[in-house]
Amino acid sequence: DTEVTQTPKHLVMGMTNKKSLKCEQHMGHRAMYWYKQKAKKPPELMFVYSYEKLSINESVPSRFSPECPNSSLLNLHLHALQPEDSALYLCASSQDWDRGGRQPQHFGDGTRLSIL
Amino acid sequence: AQSVTQLGSHVSVSEGALVLLRCNYSSSVPPYLFWYVQYPNQGLQLLLKYTTGATLVKGINGFEAEFKKSETSFHLTKPSAHMSDAAEYFCAVSDHASNYQLIWGAGTKLIIKP
Repeated sequence: DTEVTQTPKHLVMGMTNKKSLKCEQHMGHRAMYWYKQKAKKPPELMFVYSYEKLSINESVPSRFSPECPNSSLLNLHLHALQPEDSALYLCASSQDWDRGGRQPQHFGDGTRLSIL
Repeated sequence: AQSVTQLGSHVSVSEGALVLLRCNYSSSVPPYLFWYVQYPNQGLQLLLKYTTGATLVKGINGFEAEFKKSETSFHLTKPSAHMSDAAEYFCAVSDHASNYQLIWGAGTKLIIKP
């Protein structure tokens, strides 16, 4: 069982829709991440939150809007997405945003997003 | 810039045979090294990691990896493959040059033949 829970597991939306992806962890981790993964590719980092503050935004288009309401929750708000945004969206967490990079990240099972 | 190379996009072994998945990195400074596994329709699960200390690292599900600084390698092995090992395996590294973000290899799909 994964300790990082993502909902929904699947999402189909039109290009004009607004939807949100949710991620929750109860491991007391203070860093949380959003990744995008296309089929047969490694994950691509989108955002990093550290202590509920946005630390890294990897030049992600504004149609993706992250939010960290508290230390256990991470949302990704979606609006006016394009077909090429169809992918698996993975949430991860680690103990903190340790610039030593030693701490492993724990991943959820992802939300498979399809844009019509 | 740091890069990670996984040799072989697909590796096929017979059940019970040795599994060897190769990972090489480019940094001249030893980075932190990780192996993750991704089963179909799931997220990534940490298999093992190397940060400091003993260069032979044991992980979950009988996997281990050895950090070889001279070869800039961190190959993943398992003595005897099981059908349940069939999955995608990713090697990842982080270091100062990457601002300690994970740099991922392209992945290797492990196929187990009965």
